[in-house]
Parts: sequence; C-alpha cells; structure tokens
Amino acid sequence: DVQLVESGGGLVQPGGSLRLSCVASGFTFSIYAMNWVRQAPGKGLEWVSVITNSGGSTSYTDSVKGRFTISRDNSKNTLYLQMGSLRAEDTAVYYCAREPTGTLDHWGQGALVTVSS
Amino acid sequence: EIVMTQTPLSSPVTLGQPASISCRSSQSLVHSDGNTYLSWLQQRPGQPPRLLIYKISNRFSGVPDRFSGSGAGTDFTLKISRVEAEDVGVYYCMQATQFPYTFGQGTKLEIK
Repeated sequence: DVQLVESGGGLVQPGGSLRLSCVASGFTFSIYAMNWVRQAPGKGLEWVSVITNSGGSTSYTDSVKGRFTISRDNSKNTLYLQMGSLRAEDTAVYYCAREPTGTLDHWGQGALVTVSS
Repeated sequence: EIVMTQTPLSSPVTLGQPASISCRSSQSLVHSDGNTYLSWLQQRPGQPPRLLIYKISNRFSGVPDRFSGSGAGTDFTLKISRVEAEDVGVYYCMQATQFPYTFGQGTKLEIK
C-alpha cells in the first residue's frame, strides 16, 4: 500500500523556520514527482510546490517563493519542505502528495503548522 | 494563474438522488501534450483529500462507478448518480496543466 507520512509540524513564531518531512513507502519513490499542498483552517486547498522525480526541477506558488524550499532524498524515500520567514498566513495543514503526471493520486494525513506569537 | 470556479458552493441532496458539480477554468486546460489535466478530489470531514477522477473522466482505483466526470476545454462536471451517506464532504476540481496548479473553491455536499 502507498503510504505518505508527514512530520515536523508545530507552533513557530512569525519570522521563524520549520522543516517538514514526508516519508514514502509502498512504491518506488524515485520515479514520481512529489508535491506539497496546504489547507488553512476552514479553507480550501492551495498548491504550494512540486519537485521532479530526480529533484532537478522545482516550482512554487508565488506567495512562498524565496521563503520555502522543496527537496528530496531518494535514498531515504523522503520529501522535505524547508519553510522560512514564516507568516501568520502560512498557518495550515501541509499535505504531501504523489504526482503520476497531471494529478495527485495519494495524499498523506497532513502536518499542522501554526505560526503565532 | 488559471482560476478554477466551481458551482454550486453548497449542494444539499437527498439520499439516492443524483448530484452534479460544475467546474469552469479561466483558460483551456488542454496541455501541449494533448492531455487535459483536470481532476476531482473528495475531502471527507477530518480526512485528507482523496482522488476520484483524473484527466476529466478516468475513475481512480477503488472509486465507485456512481462517480463520473465529463467535459472538455474549460467546462467540466462531476456527477454522482445516486448519493450515499458516505459521499458527504467537500469536492474540489483541480488543474495540473499549468503552474501554479490550482483548485476550485470547493463544493460542500450535504444530505437534506
């Protein structure tokens, strides 16, 4: 079974940093692009970032460019999201999701990030 | 950025009756490779999103056949032929044709 398990969420002060991890199992991690999608409390889904299977190419939504960095370690079957200069509006549940070209077919349970003083 | 607009935003439905959700994109979702990367996802209360339909009309593994997708270009529809209690939740359309990927606002399906 495909499994994606996020970790690293928590409470952080505005301007702080946090790194999320997503450990994958049940499939060949290195052949899939991977995404981060977030959901603010009571709101809809917002795509954050994607990384290709090799890690050679990334893309971000405008609101996180220059503050967030997506990366992966295929030897550890792990996806990361390094978040910096955090703002209150970054408060959300962050999901990692697998992408088999053009859709997001498996999602993790999510990690809650709260940015507050 | 491609804007995805769903209607209605709320849909009260009687059990056993059909339901339909529309999704319109601000520009064509036809990719240069010829595919249209329009998906439908379901989010039950307290759960992560779950893929239902990909590339307009392809049902994902394990999705009941009462769910179907249709459309082309900029107009798409998700239909549930007979609503069951487990279908309660929020439904999102999503485009992955162009970065940034974008979602519709969500349609809340509830039982009358």
